[in-house]
Amino acid sequence: DAGVTQSPTHLIKTRGQQVTLRCSPKSGHDTVSWYQQALGQGPQFIFQYYEEEERQRGNFPDRFSGHQFPNYSSELNVNALLLGDSALYLCASSGGLGLTSIPPYEQYFGPGTRLTVT
Amino acid sequence: SQQGEEDPQALSIQEGENATMNCSYKTSINNLQWYRQNSGRGLVHLILIRSNEREKHSGRLRVTLDTSKKSSSLLITASRAADTASYFCATDPLQGAQKLVFGQGTRLTINP
Repeated sequence: DAGVTQSPTHLIKTRGQQVTLRCSPKSGHDTVSWYQQALGQGPQFIFQYYEEEERQRGNFPDRFSGHQFPNYSSELNVNALLLGDSALYLCASSGGLGLTSIPPYEQYFGPGTRLTVT
Repeated sequence: SQQGEEDPQALSIQEGENATMNCSYKTSINNLQWYRQNSGRGLVHLILIRSNEREKHSGRLRVTLDTSKKSSSLLITASRAADTASYFCATDPLQGAQKLVFGQGTRLTINP
C-alpha cells in the first residue's frame, strides 16, 4: 500500500514564475492538506481540500491556490514566486471529514517537494 | 504564526541516555501529536494524545499532556543513533478540523 507521494522531489524556479506541485494521498484517504516548511522552522498550514473544495485556509496570500481531483489527488499552485517562497512543501492526507469517520484523525505526510526560488 | 514552542531547540546526548523534549501551546486543543523528521524530509507520526488523556506510551516513547499548563513532553528512553532527527509537536485546535499547528521543533542528536 503506497503512502502519500509527492512530485517533483526538487524544483528550482526563478522569481516571478509559477509552479505546480502534486500530491497523491494514501489509499483510502479523502482529505489533503498542504504545509509550507521554511528552513529551521515547523510546518505551517496552507490549506486543506475535501470533496474537491478548499475547506480551510491558513494565513497565505491568494498567490497560493490549489485543486483536488475526483481521485482525491491534489495540486498546489504558487504564482508570482518570491524568494521567500523557497521552502519544503509537504502534503498530508487523512480520512475523516466524511460523516462516517471518527476523530481524531492521524495525518500521513509525504516526503515533500523542495522548492528553491532564485 | 506558530502555535507553541518546543524546548530545548537543540539537544545532544549519548546513546543509551533518555531524551526529554517539551512543548507549550497557546489555545485549547482537541489533541496533540508528536512527529519526527529526518534531514528535512517528510514527517513521521509518532504518537497522538487526546485532550482528556494525561499520559500515553508507545514503545520507547512516553508522552504526557497537561492541559492546565498547556504543555506536553516527549520522553525517548534508551536513545539510539537512529533517533537523531527533529521532533515537532502539533496541536489540533478544533474537533475534526485536522488543521495542525506546529511548533518550531527540537533538533535531537544522539552521539554514539
